[in-house]
Amino acid sequence: GAVVSQHPSRVICKSGTSVKIECRSLDFQATTMFWYRQFPKKSLMLMATSNEGSKATYEQGVEKDKFLINHASLTLSTLTVTSAHPEDSSFYICSARGAERAANTGELFFGEGSRLTVL
Amino acid sequence: AQSVAQPEDQVNVAEGNPLTVKCTYSVSGNPYLFWYVQYPNRGLQFLLKYITGDNLVKGSYGFEAEFNKSQTSFHLKKPSALVSDSALYFCAVRGVYNFNKFYFGSGTKLNVKP
Repeated sequence: GAVVSQHPSRVICKSGTSVKIECRSLDFQATTMFWYRQFPKKSLMLMATSNEGSKATYEQGVEKDKFLINHASLTLSTLTVTSAHPEDSSFYICSARGAERAANTGELFFGEGSRLTVL
Repeated sequence: AQSVAQPEDQVNVAEGNPLTVKCTYSVSGNPYLFWYVQYPNRGLQFLLKYITGDNLVKGSYGFEAEFNKSQTSFHLKKPSALVSDSALYFCAVRGVYNFNKFYFGSGTKLNVKP
C-alpha cells in the first residue's frame, strides 16, 4: 500500500510555543490530505481537510487560527499548532488519498501519528 | 447522516479461537465500509474494505468481514486469533455526499490471551 510519513513522532513543548507537524506522501501524489486528532481511548476526530494549493476546510468547532494547515505541494501537508497549551496535548494523525486512486472507492492511508505533549 | 457503531469497547478471546468484532452502519445509499487496525502509538493500518460484490471480503493478516445489508452490519472476523492481533480496531464508512469524509466508529480493543 501507499506510504504516508509523519514527523515528528513525538514532540514535547512548553506552553505558548508553536509546533509544526509534517505529513508526506512518499510514493504517490496526494491532492487531498486529512488531519485527525485522537484523544485517549477515543475515536478519531476529523479536524480538517487539506487541499493542495487551496485553503483547508475545517470541521465545525476546530479553531482555524489555532491549527494552521498548509498543503503547498502534492506530497506535503503541515499542521502547525500555534501557541500550544496543555489541552492541545493529543495524538495527531494525518492521512491521504492519491489523485491516481479511484476517488470513490479508495481507502485512506495513514501516517504513524505524532504525540504532542504541551507542558 | 452517515455513522458507524461499534457496540463493544473491548473483546477478549483466547489464542486459537475465532474472533468477531462487531460494526453496524447507518448510511443513505450504498455503503463503502472499511476496517482499520491501530497498534499502540501508531497510525491506522488498512485491513479491508467493502465496495460492492461478494458480501464476504478478505483482507490482510487473515481477517475477513461480512457485509450484511439486512442487518446493516459489517462484522470483522478471523477463524483463529493470534496474540499479535491484540490492538484497537476501527470500522469506518465513507461519506455518501462527501467522498473525502470517513466516519469512524469508537473503536474496539481486542485482547487475545495466550
